[in-house]
Amino acid sequence: QVQLVQSGAELKKPGASVKISCRASGYTFTTYFMHWVRQAPGQGLEWMGVINPGGDSFATYAQKFQGRLTLTRDTSTSTVYMNLNSLRYDDTAVYFCARGGGDKFDYWGQGTLVSVSS
Amino acid sequence: DIQMTQSPSSLSASVGDRITITCRANQSITTYLNWYQQKPGKAPNLLIYATSNLQSGVPSRFSGSGSGTDFTLTISSLQREDFATYHCQQSYRIPYTFGQGTKLEIK
Repeated sequence: QVQLVQSGAELKKPGASVKISCRASGYTFTTYFMHWVRQAPGQGLEWMGVINPGGDSFATYAQKFQGRLTLTRDTSTSTVYMNLNSLRYDDTAVYFCARGGGDKFDYWGQGTLVSVSS
Repeated sequence: DIQMTQSPSSLSASVGDRITITCRANQSITTYLNWYQQKPGKAPNLLIYATSNLQSGVPSRFSGSGSGTDFTLTISSLQREDFATYHCQQSYRIPYTFGQGTKLEIK
């Protein structure tokens, strides 16, 4: 069965970077895009970016995160990584990876809480 | 970016009720509209894709309709497990924006 398993919660200081992993299993890793979505406390869902784990691993980012967000992948471990730098207090959120099954997000990771605090 | 607006933001209903949630886009997204259900502390779960297609395993009491800019999610007879937050999402153009969510609570 398809599973996306994310790394654990992180506590970071303002200005630091965070790197979250999302390990996929149960399907051919390189044939589905992987999206990242975040949810601030009590707020809605915000799309951040997407990576194609196959080929040249091309990634596209929401303009809001351009220059701060980097998505990468390791095909040997079927893992996608999300790196967000220059963290601010308002980056405190739960971060999700989600498989792009066509034009829908059909499987989601369990979420990773990133807390930004001094 | 395409803006998605859901209404209402919250809704109180009883088991057995029929409810409808509306999602409006600020430009046409044809039928590229998905609905997700999210329970507290959990990841969203895909319910309906491409406006009206039920994801595998989703009960038939859920249905979706619409096209262009106006869409609806209907639950024909609420069950206790349906009380959650519902999110619409457009997948017509990146960035794939979401509505602000509708919290469905027990009356």
